[in-house]
Amino acid sequence: NAGVMQNPRHLVRRRGQEARLRCSPMKGHSHVYWYRQLPEEGLKFMVYLQKENIIDESGMPKERFSAEFPKEGPSILRIQQVVRGDSAAYFCASSPPSLPYNEQFFGPGTRLTVL
Amino acid sequence: GDSVTQMEGPVTLSEEAFLTINCTYTATGYPSLFWYVQYPGEGLQLLLKATKADDKGSNKGFEATYRKETTSFHLEKGSVQVSDSAVYFCALSGGGSQGNLIFGKGTKLSVKP
Repeated sequence: NAGVMQNPRHLVRRRGQEARLRCSPMKGHSHVYWYRQLPEEGLKFMVYLQKENIIDESGMPKERFSAEFPKEGPSILRIQQVVRGDSAAYFCASSPPSLPYNEQFFGPGTRLTVL
Repeated sequence: GDSVTQMEGPVTLSEEAFLTINCTYTATGYPSLFWYVQYPGEGLQLLLKATKADDKGSNKGFEATYRKETTSFHLEKGSVQVSDSAVYFCALSGGGSQGNLIFGKGTKLSVKP
């Protein structure tokens, strides 16, 4: 069973460009989470999605950032008009639909550098 | 809101030394608690977990006990190895959306031979 896959692993963008980060969850997992890790910091929650639904986007900046998890295909985190402060590692995690707790499995991350 | 506080690093130990990384939390309700490990250039891997008070999570020689009375989940290992060098994150779940994990800032551990 392949783990959570993210691509690209490294992404370089100039200020003002768009960044698209992709995440394929583990097989059988229907919940996807995106986190951002700034240098020397812990991970900060951004958004939680299930297939075709955004469940919680309370950690995502209101402007320039969007996320989707379509019925088919990977989850996409999109950052429009990137700025230098967007430089970070972005991690995706997935979990099966089992409550009461969510054990999340993380991908290797996408390291975004904005020049 | 819910939060996690863990001891600041870096922590430098000699091989075979005893390790403790402190973690305390603030949460409403009864969260589940986790320790994740991040090796250089990689994503996070779940190290161990505990879902209710007095549970002990253990894996690869690491242990942590869910202490509700002290709101703590300290990570311990009796004898560390060079290969344990990594960043360790304490986290809790069970927040409002029952989805996201809340992480501490991480503790970098370096083990010298």
